[in-house]
Amino acid sequence: KNEVEQSPQNLTAQEGEFITINCSYSVGISALHWLQQHPGGGIVSLFMLSSGKKKHGRLIATINIQEKHSSLHITASHPRDSAVYICAVGRADKLIFGTGTRLQV
Amino acid sequence: KAGVTQTPRYLIKTRGQQVTLSCSPISGHRSVSWYQQTPGQGLQFLFEYFSETQRNKGNFPGRFSGRQFSNSRSEMNVSTLELGDSALYLCASSLDHRATDTQYFGPGTRLTVL
Repeated sequence: KNEVEQSPQNLTAQEGEFITINCSYSVGISALHWLQQHPGGGIVSLFMLSSGKKKHGRLIATINIQEKHSSLHITASHPRDSAVYICAVGRADKLIFGTGTRLQV
Repeated sequence: KAGVTQTPRYLIKTRGQQVTLSCSPISGHRSVSWYQQTPGQGLQFLFEYFSETQRNKGNFPGRFSGRQFSNSRSEMNVSTLELGDSALYLCASSLDHRATDTQYFGPGTRLTVL
């Protein structure tokens, strides 16, 4: 079993829809990162969370440390949001990655 | 500030050869991490350097090595290339070495081993 699980693996949405991507982990962590990877490979760091909730524009990320679970929400999705979203947990000063969620808007 | 740069962007090698990839971090960042991304295994941590010292290493064979210079630029080397080493190699830099630090990724080097 992977230490970091994401769901769904693939997601197709209509423009304007509210989207949720989930991440569960099974190990103790110091932080959780949400990353975005566009076709071509470039990765951008969206959020780093150690507790609570963060918001940036149409993106919201939450984390529940007790339940070992995080969600990434995209409100009013747009075609430019099409990308792979990757959850990564920080453990012993290194990152362990989920397998990613491919979003097509 | 200039972002993280990686050279070369694309590379084709044959089995048995060796390859060196380079990463220049954002100015002022002292930590550089390297990752391998393949369709089958996803993103995997290779190693991390901080102030010229390797602080962490992932579960990769000894054919994979790296180093960091005094200006924080880093290189990784893969010797005796195998077909399975074909991948996108990404480096990321951060101010410090903590997992709570935001990492800034380079565009990657796509290595194809024939």
